Order: sequence, then structure tokens, then C-alpha cells
Amino acid sequence: QSALTQPASVSGSPGQSITISCTGSSSDIGGYNYVSWFQQHPGKAPKLMIYDVSNRPSGVSNRFSGSKSADTASLTISGLQAEDEADYYCNSYTSSSTWVFGGGTKLTVL
Amino acid sequence: QLQLQESGPGLVKASETLSLTCTVSGGSISTSYYYWGWIRQPPGKGLEWIGNIYYTGKTTYVNPSLKSRVTISMDTSKNQFSLKLTSVTATDTAVYYCARRVGSSSHRDYWGQGTLVTVSS
Repeated sequence: QSALTQPASVSGSPGQSITISCTGSSSDIGGYNYVSWFQQHPGKAPKLMIYDVSNRPSGVSNRFSGSKSADTASLTISGLQAEDEADYYCNSYTSSSTWVFGGGTKLTVL
Repeated sequence: QLQLQESGPGLVKASETLSLTCTVSGGSISTSYYYWGWIRQPPGKGLEWIGNIYYTGKTTYVNPSLKSRVTISMDTSKNQFSLKLTSVTATDTAVYYCARRVGSSSHRDYWGQGTLVTVSS
């Protein structure tokens, strides 16, 4: 199975909004509403930020939102803060009953 | 509060078998309808899903690229689940995480802190 495609890096200034895309196929993102997003700070375990395309776990800021259109999922962070600087990974269920991650996106807060 | 903790050798010789255990506290691994799984991350690289096992212990799913080398099992008496990866090479050097996922969703909410396994030649 091929990894989902994410931009290697994105950046934004404090207070701005950014969007990270995650492109797959009809066999994964396009076929199911089982897309999640994880935030990972250096040396730490990933943290769930969005699940099932657009749901936020309890305790996650409402500045984080998710969406999907066809084979592409997106994570939007509004009101960018310094603490948002991290790596972000998308994850999707596949038609083979397996899961696949994106390659990861490094977010830099300028 | 649920906690997951990986344990196992930090160094494994090439061609041998990597064995890791995830001990779960604060909840039972037999609770419906959770999946217990493994994810790894080579140094400086992205996450790779390895596989998972259903709470019944009867069903496992494994990354096709690793399927011939991976076994995932559960020990309900110890509230643990385990990963075995055979015939390791340097490309298997990674931080290995265990995690819980809620069934019928992508809600992978609890993770262990991760353990670095280095494959030596």
C-alpha cells in the first residue's frame, strides 16, 4: 500500500490559518470516512487531533478542524499559535482492512 | 486513565526476531470493541502502521508489506499484547509505539510513549 501524500512543509504566522492536505485514492480516503490527523512534537508520541474526518476528541482546541473532498482530506488550523509547531500526519482506513499514514508535514510557525 | 507501556530489548541482531510487549493499565484489553495495535517510526522519518488485533484476540490485521514477518497476539491474563517481527534488518530500526483504536472509527486515542529498537549487524 502506498503512503498518503502530504506536503513536506507548511508555514504560517501567529494568528493566521493554514491547511494541510492529504491525498489518497478511492481505496482509502475516498472510500471511507475513517480519516484521522495526529500532531507530533519532537521526541513525543503522536496525539490525536481529528478522527473520522472532522471530529475533535475531547480536549482538542476548536482551532483544529478537518474535512474531506473526494480523495483528499484536509486539516485546518486557525489562529496559529507557537505551540502548534509540530509534525502532522494523516491516517486512513483502506479497502484491504488496513491503515495507511501520510508521509508527514512539518508545520513551522514563523 | 488508560496507560500503555511498551517494553522489550532495545537492541536486536540482524536476522533475529524483534519481540515487544505493550502492557495496558487502567482498563482491560478485553473490553469491547477496541483494537490494539502497533505503529513504528524510523529515526527522522514518518509513521508506519504495522498491524492490530481485535479485543477478542481472534482477528488480526497486518500491513501487507510486513505480513510474512509479523505476529500480533494478546495475553488477557497479563493485560498485554505483543508484537513479533522476524528476520529483522537495519530498516526495521525504529521507535515502536503501541496504541488503542476504537472499533468502527479512526479514533486512535491512547498511545504508549514509544520504545526505540535498533537492529545491529
